[in-house]
Amino acid sequence: EIVLTQSPGTLSLSPGERATLSCRASQSVSSSYLAWYQQKPGQAPRLLIYGASTRATGIPDRFSGSGSGTDFTLTISRLEPEDFAVYYCQQYGSSPPMYTFGQGTKLEIK
Amino acid sequence: EVQLVESGGGLVQPGGSLRLSCAASGFTFSSYSMSWVRQAPGKGLEWVSYISSSSSAIYYADSVKGRFTISRDNAKNSLYLQMNSLRDEDTAVYYCARVEIVGATRWFDPWGQGTLVTVSS
Repeated sequence: EIVLTQSPGTLSLSPGERATLSCRASQSVSSSYLAWYQQKPGQAPRLLIYGASTRATGIPDRFSGSGSGTDFTLTISRLEPEDFAVYYCQQYGSSPPMYTFGQGTKLEIK
Repeated sequence: EVQLVESGGGLVQPGGSLRLSCAASGFTFSSYSMSWVRQAPGKGLEWVSYISSSSSAIYYADSVKGRFTISRDNAKNSLYLQMNSLRDEDTAVYYCARVEIVGATRWFDPWGQGTLVTVSS
């Protein structure tokens, strides 16, 4: 079973700054199977990135995803007030078929 | 508009049963795989179960295997989760999510608003 470890647990930044969130897998993951989600308090998660680097429909271009193998990154180039939330990475493993989430990174206003 | 609406949550005693439903609209439900994902209070996301469009492939997380059963009714555009032998640790908000599969790529989008299941005596 692949374990996803996100870091840092909490990231404190100011609007306008750049945010870099990390997702590390315990073994190599296909980039096709790596996605990122944003969750705000009291809301359902929202898809941001799929296939490690493809933005979902309607997601601003300040969000970008990168990485391969065991190391993946979500970057928010210039933080807007609405970006402060919890972010999760997620992967699909085919043997056995299952989906795994990282424990999340909370992005908070400094 | 694509929409998923869960229902059926509530308070249940340990060892009890509950059946969750997810009503889908705005897309061809019978063409998509679906999943349930849960979130314990103040915790992260945990995938629970997956069902393919025709119900031919079904998978469960180890934590619920043998206790939960996922099913769907394509004629009613509905997804279900039968939960038996419930434990305190099953307390969570349960989300249904559409599984997008494009080539080798997979992701969950969209998600419903969730329904809260509380297991407590």
